Amino acid sequence: GQQVMQIPQYQHVQEGEDFTTYCNSSTTLSNIQWYKQRPGGHPVFLIQLVKSGEVKKQKRLTFQFGEAKKNSSLHITATQTTDVGTYFCAGPLGIQGAQKLVFGQGTRLTINP
Amino acid sequence: IAGITQAPTSQILAAGRRMTLRCTQDMRHNAMYWYRQDLGLGLRLIHYSNTAGTTGKGEVPDGYSVSRANTDDFPLTLASAVPSQTSVYFCASSDSMWTSSYNEQFFGPGTRLTVL
Repeated sequence: GQQVMQIPQYQHVQEGEDFTTYCNSSTTLSNIQWYKQRPGGHPVFLIQLVKSGEVKKQKRLTFQFGEAKKNSSLHITATQTTDVGTYFCAGPLGIQGAQKLVFGQGTRLTINP
Repeated sequence: IAGITQAPTSQILAAGRRMTLRCTQDMRHNAMYWYRQDLGLGLRLIHYSNTAGTTGKGEVPDGYSVSRANTDDFPLTLASAVPSQTSVYFCASSDSMWTSSYNEQFFGPGTRLTVL
């Protein structure tokens, strides 16, 4: 079945360093979503990418969708302690019709202040 | 109510017992979902409903059932709990499940369930 793989599983950085998490799908995605989950919290939607090669920015966060629409990345510039949490990518199962999201395993980011 | 609420917040349950996790949303979203979250496995879809009156199976439906009698409520029932169902359960909703829609999912605060 369709899989969404995310690497790395864990990442520890010093505050101020950059951070990147990568997401790869076994099949072409119609879109990809990114979520953030703070420790002890629930996933919160960050962004949705739809177009091939799309790049979107939210302050220090940069999201990319690959040209083939099978991979995506989230890059955080100059991490801050507020960035701590687990970042998930999610792609819809199927291309048309009612779609169910398949989540990657997540990348847990911890930061040394 | 604002957004999605879940009850209970946490529960310890004896194996073999029946349990219903409650989920209510006030956003008039058409689609609702139940996920379980286990360490290292991310979020896995248990069941979903793309509109009131209809439900469907997700990735890990065995041992769980759902109903969608109205737009707002989407309870998840464990008929006879087993220890492997120990997990954190999240309910979520979105305006739509259809490709053409912008279907951001909103998550509830979660229910931490321990089955002994």
